[in-house]
Amino acid sequence: AQSVTQLGSHVSVSEGALVLLRCNYSSSVPPYLFWYVQYPNQGLQLLLKYTTGATLVKGINGFEAEFKKSETSFHLTKPSAHMSDAAEYFCAVSFRNNDMRFGAGTRLTVKP
Amino acid sequence: NAGVTQTPKFQVLKTGQSMTLQCAQDMNHEYMSWYRQDPGMGLRLIHYSVGAGITDQGEVPNGYNVSRSTTEDFPLRLLSAAPSQTSVYFCASSLERNTEAFFGQGTRLTVV
Repeated sequence: AQSVTQLGSHVSVSEGALVLLRCNYSSSVPPYLFWYVQYPNQGLQLLLKYTTGATLVKGINGFEAEFKKSETSFHLTKPSAHMSDAAEYFCAVSFRNNDMRFGAGTRLTVKP
Repeated sequence: NAGVTQTPKFQVLKTGQSMTLQCAQDMNHEYMSWYRQDPGMGLRLIHYSVGAGITDQGEVPNGYNVSRSTTEDFPLRLLSAAPSQTSVYFCASSLERNTEAFFGQGTRLTVV
């Protein structure tokens, strides 16, 4: 069965530092991969997605993620954190004709 | 464009009471779903629908019912509320089952 693991329930970085949020999935076939962001008291919104094609995917707000099949990973990065990036981030995986499964989430704190 | 609209935003129920969480989308999406969000557990799928008249169970369906009489609406019913159903509930819609999901703002439910 497909599953998603996000390493680190809380990540804290300083403003201007690199953001790295980790996501690994378990699957025997290539999945569709997503990163969503949730700001306080709001719903989730899509940051970026990978379906097919280029393995480095760029999203909104300067975020990007790289699909590495050999490592079954889809880590989210941003070169320079901004205070407005503080939120909870969810990695999700889905397959053709299957539902989307979400990781447990990583709360990102950005220190001034 | 309203997207996905959920009502109410907040609700307190007594154990044993019933209620319906409303969800409507105006994007003509075939696929709609309900998730519950609990701390440290990410989002878990309760029920989903691939089109009007078709619903199915997700990961955690017990205690919940759904129906889909129109493309636009997908209400979630709690038949007899229990404290274990205290959670934040999100409705989502997407073009297809495994494509980008658009989320509502959520309903924070407390069962006392």
